[in-house]
Amino acid sequence: SAVISQKPSRDICQRGTSLTIQCQVDSQVTMMFWYRQQPGQSLTLIATANQGSEATYESGFVIDKFPISRPNLTFSTLTVSNMSPEDSSIYLCSVATGYEKLFFGSGTQLSVL
Amino acid sequence: QQPVQSPQAVILREGEDAVINCSSSKALYSVHWYRQKHGEAPVFLMILLKGGEQKGHEKISASFNEKKQQSSLYLTASQLSYSGTYFCGNRPDDKLIFGTGTRLQVFP
Repeated sequence: SAVISQKPSRDICQRGTSLTIQCQVDSQVTMMFWYRQQPGQSLTLIATANQGSEATYESGFVIDKFPISRPNLTFSTLTVSNMSPEDSSIYLCSVATGYEKLFFGSGTQLSVL
Repeated sequence: QQPVQSPQAVILREGEDAVINCSSSKALYSVHWYRQKHGEAPVFLMILLKGGEQKGHEKISASFNEKKQQSSLYLTASQLSYSGTYFCGNRPDDKLIFGTGTRLQVFP
């Protein structure tokens, strides 16, 4: 199993600014994922962040907008850059310890004014 | 390639049964089921790794028809605690692609 600490839990930001979300895991994990969940919608994968390699972004998401760092096997950050109201969402980090279940952080609720 | 779930929403009385379907236009490699309560992170329910597999988790069970690229989640004798949004997921490689979701509400 894995316990994930995600910070901040919520934030209200002004358009044009950036926010960095942190994800700390209590054990070493190879696979880490960042998801976005807009209100009332499903979870959409932003990128896969594996340690020692560049993050792999899904269609519709680019590194300039969502830069990701993965400095070691227990930590990752996602930055939401140059924010607009359309970026208002819940952002979740997730880890997999194998090919079974994923564990999720508690999420970051972002509101952009 | 996002799996499509049906129905989109279900309203039940306690004790009633429900079936949630998950269908994919692409191959389903392994099917995951999660439940998410409002304001919380998704919680893993079960995984089906191969066609024909069926699994049970208390009064919640699932089946996986690999040929039809479908999976179904069965909730029997529903309880208030079953309320939430249910997501299936397809995991063709490392990443998990979530389905469109089914909102389930159970009333006394």
